[in-house]
Amino acid sequence: DGGITQSPKYLFRKEGQNVTLSCEQNLNHDAMYWYRQDPGQGLRLIYYSQIVNDFQKGDIAEGYSVSREKKESFPLTVTSAQKNPTAFYLCASSASGGYTDTQYFGPGTRLTVL
Amino acid sequence: AQSVSQHNHHVILSEAASLELGCNYSYGGTVNLFWYVQYPGQHLQLLLKYFSGDPLVKGIKGFEAEFIKSKFSFNLRKPSVQWSDTAEYFCAVIIYGGATNKLIFGTGTLLAVQP
Repeated sequence: DGGITQSPKYLFRKEGQNVTLSCEQNLNHDAMYWYRQDPGQGLRLIYYSQIVNDFQKGDIAEGYSVSREKKESFPLTVTSAQKNPTAFYLCASSASGGYTDTQYFGPGTRLTVL
Repeated sequence: AQSVSQHNHHVILSEAASLELGCNYSYGGTVNLFWYVQYPGQHLQLLLKYFSGDPLVKGIKGFEAEFIKSKFSFNLRKPSVQWSDTAEYFCAVIIYGGATNKLIFGTGTLLAVQP
């Protein structure tokens, strides 16, 4: 069953702690993305990666970090530097990162900072 | 900066009513256009997309959208909604010629269909 998995579904963290969100895909896609969804703001791009060992900042990368050591995995770390981390985080992937690609989304992780 | 506008933030309809959700983008060049839907508790999934050709595109579940280049619009329509169409709908754009294939999303429209 091909798709994108994100874990955990719900995550709670204390202020000042770093936390890593998992994203795995078995679609053999080259490109992967992280978005943040806030009520009334739609989705905003945090980081994206078009190929293994390469990634680029999106619109709101401050306070976040990523790695892309394997094609199927693109974990996102929310650091203590992120001022307002409580949000719904969505991971996506696409075949090649080209303009005609369709992005497919995972189920999301809801992060709450206590 | 390029942006996507969805002017209807909340829409409430009765079953069998017709639906039209507005989407406008601010870019004069070539774009690819998408509508995504997020049903309660489910993944964000693709409803339909436009890359080129016939500007009237048909998607899943009876939805369609029309690309009007002169109006920079890509409105979503459905002639008769059902209760199961209750969801949040997002318009998105990919701009050709940018540094990446960044998908730019609108703020979403929450549709509630009353039985």
